[in-house]
Amino acid sequence: KAGVTQTPRYLIKTRGQQVTLSCSPISGHRSVSWYQQTPGQGLQFLFEYFSETQRNKGNFPGRFSGRQFSNSRSEMNVSTLELGDSALYLCASSLDQGIGDTEAFFGQGTRLTVV
Amino acid sequence: AQSVTQPDIHITVSEGASLELRCNYSYGATPYLFWYVQSPGQGLQLLLKYFSGDTLVQGIKGFEAEFKRSQSSFNLRKPSVHWSDAAEYFCAVLPLTGGGNKLTFGTGTQLKVEL
Repeated sequence: KAGVTQTPRYLIKTRGQQVTLSCSPISGHRSVSWYQQTPGQGLQFLFEYFSETQRNKGNFPGRFSGRQFSNSRSEMNVSTLELGDSALYLCASSLDQGIGDTEAFFGQGTRLTVV
Repeated sequence: AQSVTQPDIHITVSEGASLELRCNYSYGATPYLFWYVQSPGQGLQLLLKYFSGDTLVQGIKGFEAEFKRSQSSFNLRKPSVHWSDAAEYFCAVLPLTGGGNKLTFGTGTQLKVEL
Protein backbone atom coordinates (compact mmCIF):
# COMPACT_ATOMS: atom_id res chain seq x y z
CA LYS A 1 0.00 0.00 0.00
CA ALA A 2 1.44 3.34 -1.03
CA GLY A 3 2.08 5.85 1.73
CA VAL A 4 1.27 9.53 1.85
CA THR A 5 2.81 11.33 -1.11
CA GLN A 6 3.68 15.00 -1.04
CA THR A 7 4.81 16.98 -4.03
CA PRO A 8 7.05 18.71 -4.65
CA ARG A 9 9.68 17.72 -2.07
CA TYR A 10 11.54 21.01 -2.33
CA LEU A 11 10.47 24.45 -3.43
CA ILE A 12 12.12 27.85 -3.57
CA LYS A 13 9.91 30.91 -3.96
CA THR A 14 10.32 34.65 -3.79
CA ARG A 15 8.58 36.90 -1.29
CA GLY A 16 5.17 37.98 -2.51
CA GLN A 17 4.64 34.94 -4.71
CA GLN A 18 2.12 32.24 -4.02
CA VAL A 19 2.65 28.50 -3.80
CA THR A 20 0.55 25.35 -3.99
CA LEU A 21 1.54 22.12 -2.30
CA SER A 22 -0.06 18.77 -3.00
CA CYS A 23 -0.79 15.74 -0.85
CA SER A 24 -2.09 12.34 -1.92
CA PRO A 25 -3.32 10.38 1.10
CA ILE A 26 -3.25 6.64 1.59
CA SER A 27 -5.92 4.97 -0.46
CA GLY A 28 -9.19 4.88 1.45
CA HIS A 29 -8.23 7.61 3.92
CA ARG A 30 -10.70 10.46 4.01
CA SER A 31 -9.00 12.81 6.45
CA VAL A 32 -6.05 14.95 5.41
CA SER A 33 -4.31 17.32 7.80
CA TRP A 34 -1.55 19.84 7.21
CA TYR A 35 1.19 20.92 9.60
CA GLN A 36 3.92 23.51 9.46
CA GLN A 37 7.25 22.67 11.07
CA THR A 38 9.83 25.35 11.85
CA PRO A 39 12.80 25.38 14.24
CA GLY A 40 11.27 28.22 16.23
CA GLN A 41 7.62 27.21 16.44
CA GLY A 42 7.86 23.44 16.12
CA LEU A 43 4.98 21.49 14.64
CA GLN A 44 1.83 23.54 14.25
CA PHE A 45 -1.51 22.42 12.93
CA LEU A 46 -2.75 24.29 9.88
CA PHE A 47 -6.05 22.65 8.95
CA GLU A 48 -7.82 19.37 8.37
CA TYR A 49 -10.08 18.30 5.55
CA PHE A 50 -12.54 15.46 5.71
CA SER A 51 -14.76 14.47 2.81
CA GLU A 52 -13.94 17.71 0.99
CA THR A 53 -14.91 19.90 3.97
CA GLN A 54 -12.63 21.77 6.31
CA ARG A 55 -13.19 20.18 9.70
CA ASN A 56 -10.56 21.89 11.83
CA LYS A 57 -8.47 25.00 11.46
CA GLY A 58 -5.37 26.21 13.26
CA ASN A 59 -4.29 29.76 14.06
CA PHE A 60 -2.80 30.81 10.78
CA PRO A 61 -3.60 33.90 8.70
CA GLY A 62 -5.97 33.75 5.79
CA ARG A 63 -3.03 33.60 3.38
CA PHE A 64 -2.97 29.90 4.18
CA SER A 65 -5.78 27.97 2.57
CA GLY A 66 -6.52 24.48 1.46
CA ARG A 67 -8.97 22.24 -0.25
CA GLN A 68 -9.72 18.59 -0.72
CA PHE A 69 -10.92 16.88 -3.84
CA SER A 70 -13.41 14.05 -4.23
CA ASN A 71 -10.57 11.52 -4.43
CA SER A 72 -9.31 12.82 -1.03
CA ARG A 73 -6.21 14.42 -2.51
CA SER A 74 -5.55 17.76 -0.90
CA GLU A 75 -3.77 20.96 -1.77
CA MET A 76 -2.68 23.82 0.38
CA ASN A 77 -2.00 27.28 -0.92
CA VAL A 78 -0.01 30.08 0.57
CA SER A 79 -0.44 33.50 -1.00
CA THR A 80 1.79 36.55 -0.67
CA LEU A 81 4.69 34.55 0.71
CA GLU A 82 6.75 35.94 3.56
CA LEU A 83 10.23 34.94 4.68
CA GLY A 84 8.69 33.46 7.81
CA ASP A 85 6.72 30.97 5.73
CA SER A 86 9.92 29.03 5.09
CA ALA A 87 9.26 25.68 6.69
CA LEU A 88 8.72 21.99 6.24
CA TYR A 89 5.06 21.42 5.43
CA LEU A 90 3.79 18.01 6.43
CA CYS A 91 0.65 16.29 5.33
CA ALA A 92 -0.98 13.50 7.31
CA SER A 93 -3.78 11.17 6.34
CA SER A 94 -6.10 9.20 8.59
CA LEU A 95 -8.68 6.52 7.94
CA ASP A 96 -10.96 8.06 10.55
CA GLN A 97 -13.86 5.66 10.87
CA GLY A 98 -15.27 7.73 13.72
CA ILE A 99 -14.77 5.05 16.34
CA GLY A 100 -11.88 6.63 18.19
CA ASP A 101 -8.97 4.42 17.26
CA THR A 102 -7.31 6.66 14.71
CA GLU A 103 -3.76 7.08 13.51
CA ALA A 104 -2.15 9.74 11.36
CA PHE A 105 0.30 8.70 8.68
CA PHE A 106 2.69 11.42 7.57
CA GLY A 107 4.25 12.17 4.23
CA GLN A 108 7.89 13.15 3.87
CA GLY A 109 6.99 16.80 3.60
CA THR A 110 7.61 19.70 1.27
CA ARG A 111 10.52 21.92 2.18
CA LEU A 112 9.55 25.49 1.23
CA THR A 113 12.20 28.18 1.17
CA VAL A 114 11.15 31.78 0.68
CA VAL A 115 13.88 34.17 -0.46
CA ALA B 1 -4.66 26.05 28.38
CA GLN B 2 -4.17 22.69 26.73
CA SER B 3 -0.52 21.84 26.24
CA VAL B 4 2.06 19.13 25.74
CA THR B 5 5.45 19.43 27.38
CA GLN B 6 8.65 17.64 26.56
CA PRO B 7 11.06 19.02 29.14
CA ASP B 8 14.23 17.66 27.56
CA ILE B 9 15.30 19.39 24.37
CA HIS B 10 18.44 17.30 23.91
CA ILE B 11 19.40 13.92 25.35
CA THR B 12 22.65 12.02 24.77
CA VAL B 13 22.97 8.35 25.64
CA SER B 14 25.54 5.69 24.93
CA GLU B 15 24.67 2.85 22.62
CA GLY B 16 23.31 -0.02 24.66
CA ALA B 17 22.14 2.21 27.49
CA SER B 18 18.51 2.59 28.47
CA LEU B 19 16.45 5.57 27.42
CA GLU B 20 13.50 7.46 28.84
CA LEU B 21 11.96 10.48 27.14
CA ARG B 22 9.48 12.48 29.14
CA CYS B 23 6.11 13.83 28.08
CA ASN B 24 3.51 15.63 30.16
CA TYR B 25 0.16 16.92 28.99
CA SER B 26 -2.36 19.34 30.33
CA TYR B 27 -5.89 18.62 29.15
CA GLY B 28 -9.33 18.58 30.71
CA ALA B 29 -9.74 14.87 30.06
CA THR B 30 -7.17 12.24 29.14
CA PRO B 31 -6.59 12.60 25.40
CA TYR B 32 -5.32 10.04 22.97
CA LEU B 33 -1.52 9.92 23.24
CA PHE B 34 1.14 9.27 20.63
CA TRP B 35 4.88 9.16 20.17
CA TYR B 36 6.38 9.93 16.77
CA VAL B 37 9.97 9.82 15.53
CA GLN B 38 11.48 12.01 12.83
CA SER B 39 14.78 11.49 11.06
CA PRO B 40 16.45 14.54 9.49
CA GLY B 41 14.51 15.91 6.53
CA GLN B 42 11.87 13.22 6.81
CA GLY B 43 8.26 12.97 7.86
CA LEU B 44 6.99 11.56 11.14
CA GLN B 45 6.71 7.87 11.90
CA LEU B 46 4.37 6.62 14.59
CA LEU B 47 6.14 4.62 17.30
CA LEU B 48 3.13 3.85 19.49
CA LYS B 49 -0.21 5.12 20.69
CA TYR B 50 -2.46 4.95 23.73
CA PHE B 51 -6.22 5.14 23.64
CA SER B 52 -7.36 3.14 26.65
CA GLY B 53 -6.76 -0.09 28.53
CA ASP B 54 -3.34 -1.35 29.51
CA THR B 55 -1.23 1.61 30.56
CA LEU B 56 1.98 0.06 29.23
CA VAL B 57 1.94 0.07 25.44
CA GLN B 58 4.40 -1.58 23.12
CA GLY B 59 5.48 0.02 19.88
CA ILE B 60 7.78 -0.54 16.99
CA LYS B 61 11.58 -0.68 17.12
CA GLY B 62 11.56 -1.97 20.70
CA PHE B 63 9.98 1.15 22.20
CA GLU B 64 7.37 1.18 24.92
CA ALA B 65 5.52 3.90 26.79
CA GLU B 66 3.71 4.06 30.08
CA PHE B 67 0.64 6.18 30.68
CA LYS B 68 0.30 7.53 34.21
CA ARG B 69 -2.96 9.35 34.74
CA SER B 70 -1.99 10.69 38.16
CA GLN B 71 1.05 12.38 36.69
CA SER B 72 -0.48 13.30 33.32
CA SER B 73 2.54 11.67 31.74
CA PHE B 74 3.26 9.38 28.84
CA ASN B 75 6.98 8.63 28.93
CA LEU B 76 8.75 6.74 26.18
CA ARG B 77 11.31 4.08 27.06
CA LYS B 78 13.72 1.71 25.40
CA PRO B 79 15.85 -0.79 27.33
CA SER B 80 18.85 -0.69 24.99
CA VAL B 81 19.42 2.12 22.51
CA HIS B 82 20.90 1.50 19.07
CA TRP B 83 22.88 4.07 17.09
CA SER B 84 20.07 4.12 14.51
CA ASP B 85 17.70 5.49 17.16
CA ALA B 86 19.34 8.91 16.87
CA ALA B 87 16.51 11.17 15.74
CA GLU B 88 13.98 13.65 17.06
CA TYR B 89 11.08 12.35 19.09
CA PHE B 90 7.73 14.02 19.44
CA CYS B 91 4.94 13.41 21.89
CA ALA B 92 1.50 14.29 20.58
CA VAL B 93 -2.06 14.37 21.87
CA LEU B 94 -5.47 14.22 20.27
CA PRO B 95 -8.53 15.32 22.28
CA LEU B 96 -11.21 12.70 22.83
CA THR B 97 -13.95 15.13 21.94
CA GLY B 98 -14.31 17.73 19.27
CA GLY B 99 -13.86 15.44 16.34
CA GLY B 100 -11.17 15.38 13.78
CA ASN B 101 -7.48 14.67 13.74
CA LYS B 102 -5.99 17.88 15.11
CA LEU B 103 -2.80 16.72 16.78
CA THR B 104 -0.97 18.93 19.25
CA PHE B 105 2.74 18.22 19.45
CA GLY B 106 5.35 18.79 22.08
CA THR B 107 8.49 20.68 21.15
CA GLY B 108 10.44 17.50 20.59
CA THR B 109 13.48 15.82 22.12
CA GLN B 110 16.60 15.43 20.00
CA LEU B 111 18.31 12.14 20.80
CA LYS B 112 22.02 11.69 20.19
CA VAL B 113 23.57 8.24 20.55
CA GLU B 114 27.25 7.94 21.38
CA LEU B 115 29.05 4.90 20.07
